[in-house]
Amino acid sequence: QQQVKQSPQSLIVQKGGISIINCAYENTAFDYFPWYQQFPGKGPALLIAIRPDVSEKKEGRFTISFNKSAKQFSLHIMDSQPGDSATYFCAAKKGLSGSARQLTFGSGTQLTVLP
Amino acid sequence: DSGVTQTPKHLITATGQRVTLRCSPRSGDLSVYWYQQSLDQGLQFLIQYYNGEERAKGNILERFSAQQFPDLHSELNLSSLELGDSALYFCASSPGRGLQETQYFGPGTRLLVL
Repeated sequence: QQQVKQSPQSLIVQKGGISIINCAYENTAFDYFPWYQQFPGKGPALLIAIRPDVSEKKEGRFTISFNKSAKQFSLHIMDSQPGDSATYFCAAKKGLSGSARQLTFGSGTQLTVLP
Repeated sequence: DSGVTQTPKHLITATGQRVTLRCSPRSGDLSVYWYQQSLDQGLQFLIQYYNGEERAKGNILERFSAQQFPDLHSELNLSSLELGDSALYFCASSPGRGLQETQYFGPGTRLLVL
């Protein structure tokens, strides 16, 4: 059962363009939504994260937009650069009691930014 | 560099064999998570340990087991290996004290079962 659906699977953008990756979740118990960036041969690294009580969060060229009623969130990369070429994963985490807080990941989006 | 280390980087073995993957969390982190990344299944949570105790189980096969030692390093044991177990195995760690804390991922161990 895929609890976090991510699209598109791959994305090609020209340098300077806007990259948009979308995710949708099903479980309303999720209360923390991070995005991870993964380069080939490396582990995922946290890019930006948002809580559901906030509709938008911006860090530099990266913005998360969050729509709680639609159970959707998206990553926008402004002024995309060739160095942004990587695989991006959205994720969600439940605020469980105790310390059980594993991430549920989307299927990933391979972003290619053309020079 | 996330501060999480994993050994070995690469592992090639045969079906039916047993391997052990090792993870050292960031200094001070009490929680360790294991994830499997494969082409068809994506990134999937396997198991979490917190300060030596198992806290959560995900899609972990019965042939797989893990433990966290008093010095907080963790090992993932994979036995009776099958071709389908070939994947990247990541360890992540977090302080273990907050609801929305970041998980820091290691560089992974690439397992190839022939």
